[in-house]
Amino acid sequence: DAGVIQSPRHEVTEMGQEVTLRCKPISGHNSLFWYRQTMMRGLELLIYFNNNVPIDDSGMPEDRFSAKMPNASFSTLKIQPSEPRDSAVYFCASSLFIGNTIYFGEGSWLTVV
Amino acid sequence: AQSVTQLDSQVPVFEEAPVELRCNYSSSVSVYLFWYVQYPNQGLQLLLKYLSGSTLVKGINGFEAEFNKSQTSFHLRKPSVHISDTAEYFCAVSPTGNQFYFGTGTSLTVIP
Repeated sequence: DAGVIQSPRHEVTEMGQEVTLRCKPISGHNSLFWYRQTMMRGLELLIYFNNNVPIDDSGMPEDRFSAKMPNASFSTLKIQPSEPRDSAVYFCASSLFIGNTIYFGEGSWLTVV
Repeated sequence: AQSVTQLDSQVPVFEEAPVELRCNYSSSVSVYLFWYVQYPNQGLQLLLKYLSGSTLVKGINGFEAEFNKSQTSFHLRKPSVHISDTAEYFCAVSPTGNQFYFGTGTSLTVIP
């Protein structure tokens, strides 16, 4: 079975540019999570969806970040405008339901210069 | 409120020696418990999980963990480590029916 699929795997962009990260959860999973990982702050939950509805976005750092889940098989995390401090690995993860095992994608490695 | 504490940020251990990575949690409700492993430049993979039943849980790659409710701990153990076990290990707690809370991670380095 295909796992969680993220794209792009690596992105280098200039400060001020828009960045869009994409995620395809495991088929049949109804919960989707976006995490950010940095050396300084470790693994942070940014937002999670249940049945395509955002449940908790309190981890989104500021208004420059937005996430959508237009259907059960696709989600995006957008940063506009991007800043160097946004450089991190962004993980998408999904689970069958909230509280069940979370399965992670390989991550999107973002560098903003 | 829920929280997860991984007491050791870095654990060096010699190859073939035993290792224990510690995890303590706080929660006012029943929890599910998980250990994930992250190899360099990769995502997190599930090592093992405790949902209910036997408090000793066996996972992949020879790892096991024991749920101790009275001590609110879920320590990860392996009797003999290999070089390939070098990775970051994350403990996670999920209050039943709620979201995950991850610890800050323990970096395990296996020394030849």
